[in-house]
Amino acid sequence: RKEVEQDPGPFNVPEGATVAFNCTYSNSASQSFFWYRQDCRKEPKLLMSVYSSGNEDGRFTAQLNRASQYISLLIRDSKLSDSATYLCVVEAGGGNKLTFGTGTQLKVEL
Amino acid sequence: ETGVTQSPTHLIKTRGQQVTLRCSSQSGHNTVSWYQQALGQGPQFIFQYYREEENGRGNFPPRFSGLQFPNYSSELNVNALELDDSALYLCASSSLRTGGSGGDEQFFGPGTRLTVL
Repeated sequence: RKEVEQDPGPFNVPEGATVAFNCTYSNSASQSFFWYRQDCRKEPKLLMSVYSSGNEDGRFTAQLNRASQYISLLIRDSKLSDSATYLCVVEAGGGNKLTFGTGTQLKVEL
Repeated sequence: ETGVTQSPTHLIKTRGQQVTLRCSSQSGHNTVSWYQQALGQGPQFIFQYYREEENGRGNFPPRFSGLQFPNYSSELNVNALELDDSALYLCASSSLRTGGSGGDEQFFGPGTRLTVL
């Protein structure tokens, strides 16, 4: 079983749609949780950290359920510029050693 | 721009050869982590260097080795290249607290794309 599992997609959605990505992780000792965005042939960039209380940044909302070891990302009012791969990332044991999921590809269409 | 640079941007090698990849960390950062990203996969943690010492290693064989220099820049060396080593190699710069645990956001460089023929 992979340490971090995501549906690879692609998710093809029309502009303005709401789309949700889910992710599960296997290491119950994981301490920090993130969503990264990666554009084609570019480096990953931090989109947002994820907290149990949930956090929102504009159109993006992230949620963590520690009991179920489940992380989600909700994107509202999708834009063409949201087209990218979204990577679910966990960190266990401190020290910034990140474990990435395979990524979920999002394509926002006119 | 993150301020993290990597060289070269692209590299083509043949099986059995050796390669050295370089990473310059962001100013003020003391830690460099290296990741391998194969096509269609997420990045996989190779190892991390904190203040010139290895500070954790992923599931990679010993032919993957590294260095960190006093200015906190870093090298990744891969010996006896195999076809499966073809990937995007990413370095990430961050600042860990004393003791090498806990830290701030990691900033990734643009990567080196290695092709092994």
